[in-house]
Amino acid sequence: SQTIHQWPATLVQPVGSPLSLECTVEGTSNPNLYWYRQAAGRGLQLLFYSVGIGQISSEVPQNLSASRPQDRQFILSSKKLLLSDSGFYLCAYTRDFFYGYTFGSGTRLTVV
Amino acid sequence: TQLLEQSPQFLSIQEGENLTVYCNSSSVFSSLQWYRQEPGEGPVLLVTVVTGGEVKKLKRLTFQFGDARKDSSLHITAAQPGDTGLYLCAGAGAGTASKLTFGTGTRLQVTL
Repeated sequence: SQTIHQWPATLVQPVGSPLSLECTVEGTSNPNLYWYRQAAGRGLQLLFYSVGIGQISSEVPQNLSASRPQDRQFILSSKKLLLSDSGFYLCAYTRDFFYGYTFGSGTRLTVV
Repeated sequence: TQLLEQSPQFLSIQEGENLTVYCNSSSVFSSLQWYRQEPGEGPVLLVTVVTGGEVKKLKRLTFQFGDARKDSSLHITAAQPGDTGLYLCAGAGAGTASKLTFGTGTRLQVTL
């Protein structure tokens, strides 16, 4: 079966510290991978997506970067966090659009 | 940039009532999906609609894709407390089926 793992579930980091959020997918190959950020109780903003190893597309200018070192691994990073980076980060994958995106359970990041 | 506006933003109703959530855009989408999200979790796909004018039913939920493929609606009949959650529409533009734009979200609260 296909599953997606995202960790950590919650994270509190000081301003200026680095960030690394990891997402891995099991049970499928060559998925499209996505990082979204969600403001409290609102819609999702696409941050990055990847259609293959080493292929990253950035949707919005920001303090974050993404990498895909392996087919089923997607990493969201920052060298120096800002207060505005706080939010709920969701990783997702899809193999067939009709069946929708499958999301991880999210990481609640609070920058203090 | 494609934008999807949902209305209402918040909805609080009693068990047994009917409701409709709207998803509108000035852009044409090749297909549209509806998701439901519970607190602290990622969104879960409810339905995909791909044809203008298409109507799909999922038990007490009825989804409609507008004839011009710019809008969609979700109607819930006889709402139950288990329907509580954040409802999100998401559209895929022509030629960008791998990338979803999410709506602004509708938070539904169904009380006894």
